[in-house]
Amino acid sequence: DGGITQSPKYLFRKEGQNVTLSCEQNLNHDAMYWYRQDPGQGLRLIYYSQIVNDFQKGDIAEGYSVSREKKESFPLTVTSAQKNPTAFYLCASSMGDRASPNSYEQYFGPGTRLTVT
Amino acid sequence: DAKTTQPTSMDCAEGRAANLPCNHSTISGNEYVYWYRQIHSQGPQYIIHGLKNNETNEMASLIITEDRKSSTLILPHATLRDTAVYYCIVRLSLWQGGSEKLVFGKGTKLTVNP
Repeated sequence: DGGITQSPKYLFRKEGQNVTLSCEQNLNHDAMYWYRQDPGQGLRLIYYSQIVNDFQKGDIAEGYSVSREKKESFPLTVTSAQKNPTAFYLCASSMGDRASPNSYEQYFGPGTRLTVT
Repeated sequence: DAKTTQPTSMDCAEGRAANLPCNHSTISGNEYVYWYRQIHSQGPQYIIHGLKNNETNEMASLIITEDRKSSTLILPHATLRDTAVYYCIVRLSLWQGGSEKLVFGKGTKLTVNP
């Protein structure tokens, strides 16, 4: 089955600790994204990557870091510098093919709910 | 990307059609209309998208007005599992120079009642 997976589903950390959220896809997609969602709110883009070894900051990148060493994987690290890390984190991927009008559809993972106390 | 306006919430009886409106009066000629939905505590799911013509797939139908300033997502026979937040997004495709990010607003909370 092709898809995008995130683990774990729930994560608890103490304040001041860095934590890494996993995101893996086997859809052969070039582009991957990380979003954050707070209760009752829409999604906000943290980082995105159009290709291996390249990534761009989104709207709320401060306090987060990413890597894209493999096409299938795009892990997100929530650092201690992130002031309000407790949130629902969503990873997505898309073909990212600028030659196709249908390449824009983004496939989302199930999300990781991070709680920092 | 054009801004969209959706009702905050809607109710629908199980088995009936759910019609979810979206206003996008500032849409430009090349911008597509996309619909996603998010079931509670899950990731958003793509439903359908269109440019000018009405579109239909196994999940829903998309009706876009002739002036493209509004659209309606139709779930023909709503089930309890269709209870979710539905997001209408308007934007350029990547190949037209659109941005990679999806801008999700607050959407419409659809509740399907038994």
